[in-house]
Amino acid sequence: QLYLQESGPGLVKPSETLSLTCTVSGASISSGTYYWGWIRQPPGKGLEWIGTIFYSGNTYYNPSLKSRISISIDTSKNHFSLRLTSVTAADTAVYYCATTSDIVTKVGDYWGQGTLVTVSS
Amino acid sequence: SYELTQPPSVSVSPGQTASITCSGDKLGDKYVSWYQQKPGQSPLLVMYEDTKRPSGIPERFSGSNSGNTATLTISGTQAMDEADYYCQAWDSSTVVFGGGTKLTVL
Repeated sequence: QLYLQESGPGLVKPSETLSLTCTVSGASISSGTYYWGWIRQPPGKGLEWIGTIFYSGNTYYNPSLKSRISISIDTSKNHFSLRLTSVTAADTAVYYCATTSDIVTKVGDYWGQGTLVTVSS
Repeated sequence: SYELTQPPSVSVSPGQTASITCSGDKLGDKYVSWYQQKPGQSPLLVMYEDTKRPSGIPERFSGSNSGNTATLTISGTQAMDEADYYCQAWDSSTVVFGGGTKLTVL
């Protein structure tokens, strides 16, 4: 079974950078079997895809966020990370990491439990 | 950018059939997946490649996709099926979600 766990600050100040990590257990992030992604959900609203990375380093980003996001992989720690710059209150959301064996057919076979990030001074 | 449209809400009586639609331009040419999300929980994949059920998903869940509309059908709906449902597709190397449908079982 594959498990994902998000971690990072729960509170970020406006204009600063949001950084989250997703630690993977049950699979090697460098195995080439899975795509690794981030999805967020503002309170009371729907799901929004942020971006996805393959172990090779190929990335796919939401065009509306592309200028502010960066997703990377650390194979030595078996985790992948999200950086979102210049945050505003609109970036307040539960952030989920997820993985899929086939990004074309589904964004998440397995999901983390999610972590709430609030943007506030 | 590509858009997927879902009805905000659908109601169904226990034991009846619930149908949740997802519309998009030439959606039938793409693969659609569906996620169930209950309050306070992470989304759960309940259908992928239009018609495939992941292991552990009850047979009462089925899917279809043709033309501009994909449909998630729940036969013999149970109270435990009450949740938000999101459709999702892949277009131009991006993931697109529908706005979500709240399924009420009453």
